[in-house]
Amino acid sequence: DTEVTQTPKHLVMGMTNKKSLKCEQHMGHRAMYWYKQKAKKPPELMFVYSYEKLSINESVPSRFSPECPNSSLLNLHLHALQPEDSALYLCASSQTSGLAKNIQYFGAGTRLSVL
Amino acid sequence: QKEVEQNSGPLSVPEGAIASLNCTYSDRGSQSFFWYRQYSGKSPELIMFIYSNGDKEDGRFTAQLNKASQYVSLLIRDSQPSDSATYLCAVNYLDNYGQNFVFGPGTRLSVLP
Repeated sequence: DTEVTQTPKHLVMGMTNKKSLKCEQHMGHRAMYWYKQKAKKPPELMFVYSYEKLSINESVPSRFSPECPNSSLLNLHLHALQPEDSALYLCASSQTSGLAKNIQYFGAGTRLSVL
Repeated sequence: QKEVEQNSGPLSVPEGAIASLNCTYSDRGSQSFFWYRQYSGKSPELIMFIYSNGDKEDGRFTAQLNKASQYVSLLIRDSQPSDSATYLCAVNYLDNYGQNFVFGPGTRLSVLP
């Protein structure tokens, strides 16, 4: 089973709203990732959690706040977003973040629209 | 700056032909190379990975790696219209935080019936 589950599949929010994206995996992976993907562009790495600790923050604005409550769950809290933040948000997981042979498995994504 | 380059396409091939997708990378220390397929509006799906120089075959797909030339390719034999998608090349790199990916821009493949 290589399933990464993301909820919700679609989200529409106003610029003053607070919402959260959720990601779950039960593969025993210890690294989890958030990516942002705009249309016709490759995924861009936002955050990496390794063993529930934030190990990479790719200079993402503070209106995006990640949280890793346990090794199976990863949240992305959203607050005061801008219309340009509208994108497909992808969660991925891998066995660890320390191996060269490190396959990342992606969830189906959350399509976010900011009005 | 780690870079991965691909031709953006679109690459159009007739049904039944061989599609050849190419990728070059800048980090000589990279050890792992991945091909993902992404249908429009969907998430990336792992197709192949390769770690060693040479060829790796899986069904209709063959990945080829040449580390000296910093080049990895994906061949799709007997292309089908269902293969029409964007193919993303991903290359690992090592930084202070561990092993991570950098994605190429993707090549859009169109298989014509």
